[in-house]
Amino acid sequence: DAGITQSPRHKVTETGTPVTLRCHQTENHRYMYWYRQDPGHGLRLIHYSYGVKDTDKGEVSDGYSVSRSKTEDFLLTLESATSSQTSVYFCAISEGGGGYYEQYFGPGTRLTVT
Amino acid sequence: SQQGEEDPQALSIQEGENATMNCSYKTSINNLQWYRQNSGRGLVHLILIRSNEREKHSGRLRVTLDTSKKSSSLLITASRAADTASYFCATDAWQAGTALIFGKGTTLSVSS
Repeated sequence: DAGITQSPRHKVTETGTPVTLRCHQTENHRYMYWYRQDPGHGLRLIHYSYGVKDTDKGEVSDGYSVSRSKTEDFLLTLESATSSQTSVYFCAISEGGGGYYEQYFGPGTRLTVT
Repeated sequence: SQQGEEDPQALSIQEGENATMNCSYKTSINNLQWYRQNSGRGLVHLILIRSNEREKHSGRLRVTLDTSKKSSSLLITASRAADTASYFCATDAWQAGTALIFGKGTTLSVSS
């Protein structure tokens, strides 16, 4: 398995509170991604990073922010959690961008917003 | 918006049978990838096929790509119970920038 971990693995939080999810890699890959997975929607891209301090928005970025201060860490922050952000969040990494490189996925974080 | 759409949404077969899943997409691509997801786990990469390739094999997996029809198929031969999982196609459509766009997946159930 690629060296990619996510923390926490499970979290329950209340509406309106900020939440930060962490993705950590040991592969020194340049690209990192955050996805959410919901029934009926498949996997949707939230934000991605193509280098330290270089990030871009994905399809469903509203209500989320990211930061990458080190190659190995990519943080996803829900600034004020809402029930619609209840989901399973996956981090992924790849050596390069686009479809030329396979992505390696972390185990996921199950987030419940009550 | 989803670029790739898998068909069927769900597929149930017996061990030993072949399983075929299809993926259709809307805009031109450079590459198409297939991933597998076991229940409660992250996605695992299966195979990548480039737009100038028509067919690719990996073990019991066979992927075809027809760019004129904007479609791909994943064939799993001699299915096993361990193949039970969801399968996703992902494309690098231009509007995705440097990211992949995933379909909603096909859920495959293989019974023994």
